Amino acid sequence: GQQLNQSPQSMFIQEGEDVSMNCTSSSIFNTWLWYKQEPGEGPVLLIALYKAGELTSNGRLTAQFGITRKDSFLNISASIPSDVGIYFCAGRTNSGGSNYKLTFGKGTLLTVNP
Amino acid sequence: SQTIHQWPATLVQPVGSPLSLECTVEGTSNPNLYWYRQAAGRGLQLLFYSVGIGQISSEVPQNLSASRPQDRQFILSSKKLLLSDSGFYLCAWSRGVGNQPQHFGDGTRLSIL
Repeated sequence: GQQLNQSPQSMFIQEGEDVSMNCTSSSIFNTWLWYKQEPGEGPVLLIALYKAGELTSNGRLTAQFGITRKDSFLNISASIPSDVGIYFCAGRTNSGGSNYKLTFGKGTLLTVNP
Repeated sequence: SQTIHQWPATLVQPVGSPLSLECTVEGTSNPNLYWYRQAAGRGLQLLFYSVGIGQISSEVPQNLSASRPQDRQFILSSKKLLLSDSGFYLCAWSRGVGNQPQHFGDGTRLSIL
C-alpha cells in the first residue's frame, strides 16, 4: 500500500522561529492536504493543494505541492505558542475505486517554547 | 455551513460489552463518511467508509462494524469489545463529488477496562 514519510517526527522551537516540515511518498499523489490536531480534538484542515507546483498560504502557514507530485512541504513563519499541536500531511491518488481514501503521514509534533 | 458531530466525547466500557458510537453531519447532502482509529502512536487508520446509505466498505478486518441508516448518520458498533479496541475514534466527511478534502469530528476517546 501507499506510505507517506513525514519528517521530522517532533520539533522543539522557540517562539518567533520559523518551522518547516515535509512529507514524501513513493507514489504520485494528485492531492495533498495538511491538518493540525490539538490534544483531545479531531484534525482540522489547514491547507489543500491540488496542482503540482502549487504554493498556497493560510496566514502564517504556507504549503507547497512538489513538482514531482511525490512530496509536499509546510512552513510556519514566526511561530507562536498556539501553534503547538500535531501536524499531519495526507495524500490522495484519485485513482478509480480509491478516490475517497486518504493516506496519512504519522504526524509532526510541534512544541513552541514561549 | 457544514458541521459534524460525534458522541460521546469519552466512553469507558468493560471488556465484552457492546459499543455504539454515532456521527452525524449537517449542512450537506450525500456526503462520503469515514471512521478512523487513532492509536497512541498518532497514525490515523481508516476503518470504514461509506459513499451512500447502506453502503459500507471495510478497510481492515476487526471486531467492529459500521452502518449508515440515514444519509448523514454513520454508526460504529461492536457486539463485544476487546481490550485492543481502546483508542481515539474519529468520524470524518467529505463532499460526495469532486476532489474534496475530509473534515473531522472531535473524536471519541474509548477506554476498555
